[in-house]
Amino acid sequence: QSVLTQPPSASGTPGQRVTISCSGSSSNIGSNTVNWYQQFPGTAPKVLIYSNNQRPSGVPDRFSGSKSGTSASLAISGLQSEDEADYYCAAWDDSLNGRYVFGPGTKVTVL
Amino acid sequence: EVQLAESGGGLVQPGGSLRLSCAASGFTFSNYAMSWVRQAPGKGLEWVSATSGSDGSTHYADSVKGRFTISRDNAKSTMYLQMNSLRAEDTAIYYCAKRARGAWYYFDDWGQGTLVTVSS
Repeated sequence: QSVLTQPPSASGTPGQRVTISCSGSSSNIGSNTVNWYQQFPGTAPKVLIYSNNQRPSGVPDRFSGSKSGTSASLAISGLQSEDEADYYCAAWDDSLNGRYVFGPGTKVTVL
Repeated sequence: EVQLAESGGGLVQPGGSLRLSCAASGFTFSNYAMSWVRQAPGKGLEWVSATSGSDGSTHYADSVKGRFTISRDNAKSTMYLQMNSLRAEDTAIYYCAKRARGAWYYFDDWGQGTLVTVSS
């Protein structure tokens, strides 16, 4: 059972805006920054958003992140076929001597 | 260019041991904290363990505490994961990941992963 919760799936047609939610608690999202990772089948994950809303160089600006209290969200504006992937939220958790926690992942399907 | 190359995975019987390695290049290894993250077949990501750059501090997920030991050899730019008392539920692809420099905790580089299968 994940410490962070995400919907298992999300979908949209090309050009639409898709939002993925991530809910946590005071020991993780509530007190630390949130990161988002993108993973294609058979490949390693890649950081998409760090520190709640920062994009590494090379990440298209159609990806954006936000955080409020103990929840965060990832938005994909102008959905493209190549965005079909798994998306994981993650954060450091201050409980249990410290640990890094991932959400269960959300599969984004482009219809 | 940062490169992380895992090795040491394979088939092991329940109760057995395995040591994974992560060879790093393209950056000053001793300056960076590193982690192991695993992914069971068809499942999500699970953080396993972390080691700091140089002060020796380590962290473990509850699921592996007491069975796995993380270590690093900064002279060889290599991180290790000694896995003992392996269980079927430890079957996964194990990725090594480099923590980004700075105050924020996230992984900016990942290896390609090595598969560990625990089965009789």
